[in-house]
Amino acid sequence: QKEVEQDPGPLSVPEGAIVSLNCTYSNSAFQYFMWYRQYSRKGPELLMYTYSSGNKEDGRFTAQVDKSSKYISLFIRDSQPSDSATYLCAMSAINTGGFKTIFGAGTRLFVKA
Amino acid sequence: KAGVTQTPRYLIKTRGQQVTLSCSPISGHRSVSWYQQTPGQGLQFLFEYFSETQRNKGNFPGRFSGRQFSNSRSEMNVSTLELGDSALYLCASSLERGSTDTQYFGPGTRLTVL
Repeated sequence: QKEVEQDPGPLSVPEGAIVSLNCTYSNSAFQYFMWYRQYSRKGPELLMYTYSSGNKEDGRFTAQVDKSSKYISLFIRDSQPSDSATYLCAMSAINTGGFKTIFGAGTRLFVKA
Repeated sequence: KAGVTQTPRYLIKTRGQQVTLSCSPISGHRSVSWYQQTPGQGLQFLFEYFSETQRNKGNFPGRFSGRQFSNSRSEMNVSTLELGDSALYLCASSLERGSTDTQYFGPGTRLTVL
């Protein structure tokens, strides 16, 4: 079993829809939770960063972390064609060697105009 | 401020050869991490360098190595290339160690092994 599970999709939605992206994890030591967006032929770009449980909102994006269920989500409101990309969840824990960051496989999102 | 740059952007090699990839972090950033991205395994951590020292290492064979120079630029080397090494190799820089909230990725080097 992978430490971080993420449905690779693809997920196709019409413009204006609310998008829900999710990841589950098994390691309770994870404390830092991130969402990255990756456009084709580009490197990942950090979208949201959350420490421990709770919600964080930034414009059309909301990140949720539920540590009791080991479940994180990213919601995109009023989705736009420019949101079409691969979304990667990532989680970090401190270990003896420093920070250990594990990425999900990424979910491909298509927003149709 | 310029972003993270990686060279070359594309590379084609044959099995058994070796390859060196280069990464220039954002000015002032001292930590450089390397990742391998493949469709099957996703993004996997290779190693992290800080102040010219390897600080953290992922589960990759010894054929994968790296180094960091005094100006924080980093190189990674893969020796005795295998078909399975075909991947996008990403470099990420951050100001300090463990700065997961300020880690910036470069565009990657696409390596194809024939």
